[in-house]
Amino acid sequence: QKEVEQDPGPLSVPEGAIVSLNCTYSNSAFQYFMWYRQYSRKGPELLMYTYSSGNKEDGRFTAQVDKSSKYISLFIRDSQPSDSATYLCAMSVAGTSYGKLTFGQGTILTVHP
Amino acid sequence: DVKVTQSSRYLVKRTGEKVFLECVQDMDHENMFWYRQDPGLGLRLIYFSYDVKMKEKGDIPEGYSVSREKKERFSLILESASTNQTSMYLCSTAANTGELFFGEGSRLTVL
Repeated sequence: QKEVEQDPGPLSVPEGAIVSLNCTYSNSAFQYFMWYRQYSRKGPELLMYTYSSGNKEDGRFTAQVDKSSKYISLFIRDSQPSDSATYLCAMSVAGTSYGKLTFGQGTILTVHP
Repeated sequence: DVKVTQSSRYLVKRTGEKVFLECVQDMDHENMFWYRQDPGLGLRLIYFSYDVKMKEKGDIPEGYSVSREKKERFSLILESASTNQTSMYLCSTAANTGELFFGEGSRLTVL
């Protein structure tokens, strides 16, 4: 079993839809949770960063962490064609070398006009 | 803005060739990483370095080595390329917040 599981999709939604992306994990020591967005032929870039449980909102994006269920989510409101990308969840254990992350497999999202 | 530059975007090599992938960062970050990315597997850590001449194995180091002679430069070496090393290779550097900054990737095909 992988430490981090993410549904690879692909996911196709109409413009304006609410998108929900999810990851589950098995290592209860994970404390830092991130979502990266990767456009085609580009490197990933950080979208959201949360520590421990709770919600974080940034514009149309909301990240949720439920440590009791070992489950994290990214919600995209009013999705746009420019949101079409691969979304990667990533997490790390506190106290390890910073930047040493465990990634999910990535979900390919297409938002069509 | 942090810039992570990978010198080769696309490479085609033959089985058994020695391959060098170069990565340079301009933000004076201490930690640098090499990941490979494959469909359905996500990003997997090959090696990382937290200081000049220091390196540690990641999750899949077999068949790879690294070199860090200067703080800004971190190289990935495939001593004898094999077809199962065909992949996208991503270099990254880490801020002390844990955020990773990635280069644009080097897509390697081994024939």
